[in-house]
Amino acid sequence: EAQVTQNPRYLITVTGKKLTVTCSQNMNHEYMSWYRQDPGLGLRQIYYSMNVEVTDKGDVPEGYKVSRKEKRNFPLILESPSPNQTSLYFCASSPGQNTGELFFGEGSRLTVL
Amino acid sequence: GENVEQHPSTLSVQEGDSAVIKCTYSDSASNYFPWYKQELGKGPQLIIDIRSNVGEKKDQRIAVTLNKTAKHFSLHITETQPEDSAVYFCAASKQGGADGLTFGKGTHLIIQP
Repeated sequence: EAQVTQNPRYLITVTGKKLTVTCSQNMNHEYMSWYRQDPGLGLRQIYYSMNVEVTDKGDVPEGYKVSRKEKRNFPLILESPSPNQTSLYFCASSPGQNTGELFFGEGSRLTVL
Repeated sequence: GENVEQHPSTLSVQEGDSAVIKCTYSDSASNYFPWYKQELGKGPQLIIDIRSNVGEKKDQRIAVTLNKTAKHFSLHITETQPEDSAVYFCAASKQGGADGLTFGKGTHLIIQP
């Protein structure tokens, strides 16, 4: 089944404790992206990647890192999480930069205390 | 950068009635306008999209219209059903695809039985 898989789906952590949210897609998509969803703010892009070893900042990159060592994986790293990073995070992928549809994962709800 | 405004934030309609959600965008270079539906506990899913060389597109009960002059596009759902209850996001991109999408803040559509 074609899908984007995120882990963990739910996480409660404390300020400053490094964490990684993994994202994997099995559709051989070139483009991958991370979004955060907050009430009243919609979906905001954190980072994106056009292909392996190519990453770039989105609209809200502060406090996050990403890597794209393999085509299928695009982990989101929070080196020192803070409470303002409490959010619902979505990973998404698309076949290519000019192809419209984004395929989203089911989301990872992160709470930073 | 691009700014996408979406209205209303909440819309309640009687089952069987029509629903209309409106979006405006700021960048006249934008040329791709998708609509995503997010059901409770899931990631957003593309339901329909339109490109700037087309004024209207229909798919069964849903349709999207685009007015490039006014920089305005709308989602129309006819004969609403309970399964239409969800959050709907509009988005705009000038790259022609998933890359560079700016999302609206979302509309919570409630279908009253």
